[in-house]
Amino acid sequence: DIQMTQSPSSLSASVGDRVTIPCRASQTISSYLNWYQQKPGKAPKLLIFAASSLQSGVPSRFSGSGSGTDFTLTISSLQPEDFATYYCQQSYSTPWTFGQGTKVEIK
Amino acid sequence: EVQLVESGGGLVQPGRSLRLSCTASEFTFGDYAMSWVRQAPGKGLEWVGFIRSKAYGGTTEYAASVKGRFTISRDESKRIAYLQMNSLKTEDTAVYYCTRDVGSGSYWAIFDYWGQGTLVTVSS
Repeated sequence: DIQMTQSPSSLSASVGDRVTIPCRASQTISSYLNWYQQKPGKAPKLLIFAASSLQSGVPSRFSGSGSGTDFTLTISSLQPEDFATYYCQQSYSTPWTFGQGTKVEIK
Repeated sequence: EVQLVESGGGLVQPGRSLRLSCTASEFTFGDYAMSWVRQAPGKGLEWVGFIRSKAYGGTTEYAASVKGRFTISRDESKRIAYLQMNSLKTEDTAVYYCTRDVGSGSYWAIFDYWGQGTLVTVSS
């Protein structure tokens, strides 16, 4: 199975900050990497697919980069509604696996 | 707008069975693969399994943790995807989400729509 590692598990940031969230795969997954945002008590929401493609309706302050084993989700200017947990997920091979999540908290 | 509504969750004893339903609307259900993803209380996301569209055989794949105990099926006429869970264990306690694959085809494993989730609690 492909292991997805997200570290740190949480980070603190202020409104307006540029935030980067890393994700690493245990083996190469090309660009088969997706990002989701989850707020407490809610279902996850797709933000980025295929490493860098922005899902329709998602603000342009979100972007994704990387290929192979190392990926990054970037929020260019953190907004109050962006405080949430972010998960990466590989869609390269089954079983499809998620990272353990990175919680973005208010500094 | 695309909607996925799960139902069937609840409290069940270890070793018993439960069937979850996911009712889909506002899209051509038969064209899409459907997955189930679960989240244990306070934990991360775990993919459970998926079913391809009928055009791709309606075949299924599962996570090792549920293989042989869980079965996913679909009823095109009712626009429902099912998750039959047998021999339930305490570690199956989680919110179960139904998800739609982003495009038609065998699968993309990109989940663009999610239901609200249904809680399954396995406890004696």
